[in-house]
Amino acid sequence: EVQLVESGGGLVQPGGSLRLSCAASGFTFSSYWMSWVRQAPGKGLEWVANIKQDGSEKYYVDSVKGRFTISRDNAKNSLYLQMNSLRAEDTAVYYCARGYSYPHDAFDIWGQGTMVTVSS
Amino acid sequence: SYVLTQPPSVSVAPGKTARITCGGNNIGSKSVHWYQQKPGQAPVLVIYYDSDRPSGIPERFSGSNSGNTATLTISRVEAGDEADYYCQVWDSSSDYWVFGGGTKLTVL
Repeated sequence: EVQLVESGGGLVQPGGSLRLSCAASGFTFSSYWMSWVRQAPGKGLEWVANIKQDGSEKYYVDSVKGRFTISRDNAKNSLYLQMNSLRAEDTAVYYCARGYSYPHDAFDIWGQGTMVTVSS
Repeated sequence: SYVLTQPPSVSVAPGKTARITCGGNNIGSKSVHWYQQKPGQAPVLVIYYDSDRPSGIPERFSGSNSGNTATLTISRVEAGDEADYYCQVWDSSSDYWVFGGGTKLTVL
């Protein structure tokens, strides 16, 4: 079964750090662009970052540039999001999502999401 | 940055046709994807590349894209189609994914 499972969410104080993980299974992880998408409570979807199959290209939404880092380990079939200098506005459910060959390909598989709460 | 505009809500009676629009500057020159999200669930891809349907998505779902508007059309609407719908494009000039604000579809 093709599956993405996120982990690592939780409660963190403003200014703190958190590392999210996304475990992929059921497909050749190294063949796909991967993305992180977040959704603040009661709000819409917001793309956060994406990464090319070999990790050579990474793109970020402006609001997280310099604070978040996307990475992947193809040997472990895993995607990561290192989040530093967290702010209250980063509070959201974070989803990992599978693209395909090109950065503009749709996200055909999504994880169930992991909640990140930034609060003192 | 590129902006996608969706109506906040659309209401339709069962068995009728729902049309959800997604407006953007010359969006017809871009590829549009559509997602369905039900409460408490992850989004599901329902239309990709303007009008293609993933396997498992009913033929009742279709899409079009021209000029400044892309449209998701749901024919013979069922109660189970009630959900939030989001359009999405890749803005290649900025290397950005952009989502529309979402449209809540209510089945009367």
